[in-house]
Amino acid sequence: GAGVSQSPSNKVTEKGKDVELRCDPISGHTALYWYRQSLGQGLEFLIYFQGNSAPDKSGLPSDRFSAERTGGSVSTLTIQRTQQEDSAVYLCASSLGTSGGPGTQYFGPGTRLTVL
Amino acid sequence: DQQVKQNSPSLSVQEGRISILNCDYTNSMFDYFLWYKKYPAEGPTFLISISSIKDKNEDGRFTVFLNKSAKHLSLHIVPSQPGDSAVYFCAASGAGNNRKLIWGLGTSLAVNP
Repeated sequence: GAGVSQSPSNKVTEKGKDVELRCDPISGHTALYWYRQSLGQGLEFLIYFQGNSAPDKSGLPSDRFSAERTGGSVSTLTIQRTQQEDSAVYLCASSLGTSGGPGTQYFGPGTRLTVL
Repeated sequence: DQQVKQNSPSLSVQEGRISILNCDYTNSMFDYFLWYKKYPAEGPTFLISISSIKDKNEDGRFTVFLNKSAKHLSLHIVPSQPGDSAVYFCAASGAGNNRKLIWGLGTSLAVNP
């Protein structure tokens, strides 16, 4: 399909380990967002990429979190030294990033991260 | 501090009746509002949006109303169908190049046959 894909769909890791979550946006979408949803919480913005501009990292909760977007397409979210409070569903979204309105953001199915 | 609030965590309606989901916001700089629908184990799906320069937007069975003075918006679904049962999120976006969405906590809608 032509939607946003994320991998893995589920990840169980031990506290202190590093994890990498991958997002493949819709082809042609210049904007890419990472959000997370913790149990019983709403979606929380993490980071935003738009074309070649510097990413907006204002939502990253700590310096253990980082993300990159290679070639303006695939993005990887890395969490170092995972903690139990990092357990959440991590959602990636992409949009055309047109000016004016926000542009509909299309979401992937998410990666459910469990830190034991 | 929640900038976007959905005060009803759940709502139950009868099939064929109207569903009204409410959302309040605190930031007057928001200029776009969106509703997303989410099924379990899936990502949110865009439903309908409204610009702050409008007070109503309609798409089929879905209508969003915006009251800027009250900083309140609502989503009306008429007639409600069992397939509409899902969690509905209200989200808001501010002006500028960064269109990150600020989300409410969601309202779980159950439409009973």
